[in-house]
Amino acid sequence: DIQMTQSPSSVSASVGDRVTITCRASQSISSWLVWYQQRPGKAPKLLIYAAASLQSGVPSRFRGRGSGTEFTLTITSLQPEDFATYYCQQSSSFPHTFGGGTRVEV
Amino acid sequence: QVQLQESGPGLVQPSETLSLTCTVSGASINTYYWNWIRQSAGGGLEWIGRFYIGVNSDSNPSLRSRLTMSADTSKKQLSLKIKSVTAADTAIYYCAREMAGRRLEDWGQGALVTVSS
Repeated sequence: DIQMTQSPSSVSASVGDRVTITCRASQSISSWLVWYQQRPGKAPKLLIYAAASLQSGVPSRFRGRGSGTEFTLTITSLQPEDFATYYCQQSSSFPHTFGGGTRVEV
Repeated sequence: QVQLQESGPGLVQPSETLSLTCTVSGASINTYYWNWIRQSAGGGLEWIGRFYIGVNSDSNPSLRSRLTMSADTSKKQLSLKIKSVTAADTAIYYCAREMAGRRLEDWGQGALVTVSS
């Protein structure tokens, strides 16, 4: 299985801050990387797919970059509704594994 | 608007079979991959597998021997069965629609299943 490692596991930030989350794959996954946001008690929500493509309806402050084994999700100006947990998932090979999550908190 | 709704028993006895249904509205059940994902109390997400009607399914090797995924097109329902469950199968179970780019665009609200006697 491809292991997905996210860092940090949690980050404290304030409204307006720039936040960057890193996701590393244990082997190359090309651009088969998806980012999800999950708020407490809710299902994950798709943010970014193909490493850098913004899902329709998602604010442009969310930016995904990377290819191969290293990827980042950047929130350029944190908004109150962005305090949540973020997960990466690789869809290059089965099983489609998730990272452990990064909690963005006040 | 696509809506997915998981349903099933919230409590399952150890060694029994976990059975969940995902009812789909707003999309054809025949033309997408449908994924199952679970989330344990610790928060981690685990991909269970995906199913496309008429095509071989793909599943997590850790669950494959216990897993059955199927669909009832007349009812627009997906089915997930995991046999011989243990406490480790306690989780929130989600169904999700997969779109181009292998992205899970639409999710159900999730169904909590507890394995306990």
